Amino acid sequence: EAGVAQSPRYKIIEKRQSVAFWCNPISGHATLYWYQQILGQGPKLLIQFQNNGVVDDSQLPKDRFSAERLKGVDSTLKIQPAKLEDSAVYLCASSPIGRNTGELFFGEGSRLTVL
Amino acid sequence: KQEVTQIPAALSVPEGENLVLNCSFTDSAIYNLQWFRQDPGKGLTSLLLIQSSQREQTSGRLNASLDKSSGRSTLYIAASQPGDSATYLCAVRQGYGQNFVFGPGTRLSVLP
Repeated sequence: EAGVAQSPRYKIIEKRQSVAFWCNPISGHATLYWYQQILGQGPKLLIQFQNNGVVDDSQLPKDRFSAERLKGVDSTLKIQPAKLEDSAVYLCASSPIGRNTGELFFGEGSRLTVL
Repeated sequence: KQEVTQIPAALSVPEGENLVLNCSFTDSAIYNLQWFRQDPGKGLTSLLLIQSSQREQTSGRLNASLDKSSGRSTLYIAASQPGDSATYLCAVRQGYGQNFVFGPGTRLSVLP
């Protein structure tokens, strides 16, 4: 079974530029998450989708971050314009729906450096 | 609001030692708890998932316990090996279909 796929693995941009990250979850996983992980900290949720609907985006900086999951499968996270403090690893995770499961599976992450 | 802490922040042990990593959470009404391993520059790898009705889970040399009433979970690693060196994170899910809240992790170094 293929895992969670993310691209690109690394991205370096200048502040005020834009960037987009892509995620393809494990086949059949209805729930998809985007997390931001700053060096030395645990991941922090940016947005959670169930199928193509948003469940939780309360911590997404909506003035610069946007995300979509149009067909309920893969997802794109965009940052525009980027700030220095956006330098982090952006992790995508997926989870199956089921009362006795709910296990979270992560991709390798996309490391963003903003100069 | 759920908060998750992990102590110690870093731990260094000689190879072969048994060790315990701690995870504490402030709201005991959880749905499940998951332990992860993260190698430098990598994503998170799932180690063990404990449902709220369970007391412990085991996988190979790993054993995770859950005490909801005290808001604690421990990850026990038996006979540690240099390959166990990584950051270990715990995450708590409050309810079915909800988000996971992560601790900051414990960075483990196992010295040969």
